[in-house]
Amino acid sequence: AQSVTQLDSHVSVSEGTPVLLRCNYSSSYSPSLFWYVQHPNKGLQLLLKYTSAATLVKGINGFEAEFKKSETSFHLTKPSAHMSDAAEYFCVVSDFNFGNEKLTFGTGTRLTIIP
Amino acid sequence: NAGVTQTPKFRVLKTGQSMTLLCAQDMNHEYMYWYRQDPGMGLRLIHYSVGEGTTAKGEVPDGYNVSRLKKQNFLLGLESAAPSQTSVYFCASSYSILEQVDEQFFGPGTRLTVL
Repeated sequence: AQSVTQLDSHVSVSEGTPVLLRCNYSSSYSPSLFWYVQHPNKGLQLLLKYTSAATLVKGINGFEAEFKKSETSFHLTKPSAHMSDAAEYFCVVSDFNFGNEKLTFGTGTRLTIIP
Repeated sequence: NAGVTQTPKFRVLKTGQSMTLLCAQDMNHEYMYWYRQDPGMGLRLIHYSVGEGTTAKGEVPDGYNVSRLKKQNFLLGLESAAPSQTSVYFCASSYSILEQVDEQFFGPGTRLTVL
């Protein structure tokens, strides 16, 4: 069975400083991992995904994440926060099971940017 | 190319009333999903479909029914609404790719309140 834990429900950083959003996962097989972002009153948008290729994944808007199998982690980072990064971020895991492709969502991390 | 659209955007129901939420996608995706989002709980899968004419139960299917009569549409029905069904509902769709889980594309959401 697959599961995902987002270690912080709320993270606050100052504009221009680094962002770190932490995610740990549990998976029976070789997982696919995603980060989605949700801005207020909007749907979810894919930031980046890992599907067993390069362990360092680059996404949109300067975000990247590193898949670490030994630590079962997939933390999201950005070198310099921007005010527009304020949103809720979801870490998502999926074990591939053909015909049964389902995602398991973390409970989300709300990112606040301090001017 | 509108992507994934949802109708309506907002709705208020009284306990016991019924309604149908409509999801439409124009990306020719095989897979479609219905989620509900509640505070502090991330997204939970209600029902999903792996192709026209097929549906399957997700994590929280009780009180909901779905139909996929056309490939581009996925309907979510509430036969007798309850206050516990107050939530934001998201529809999503994705490709079906052998041996890999692909990203899901989300609609803007429907905010439902049951009084």
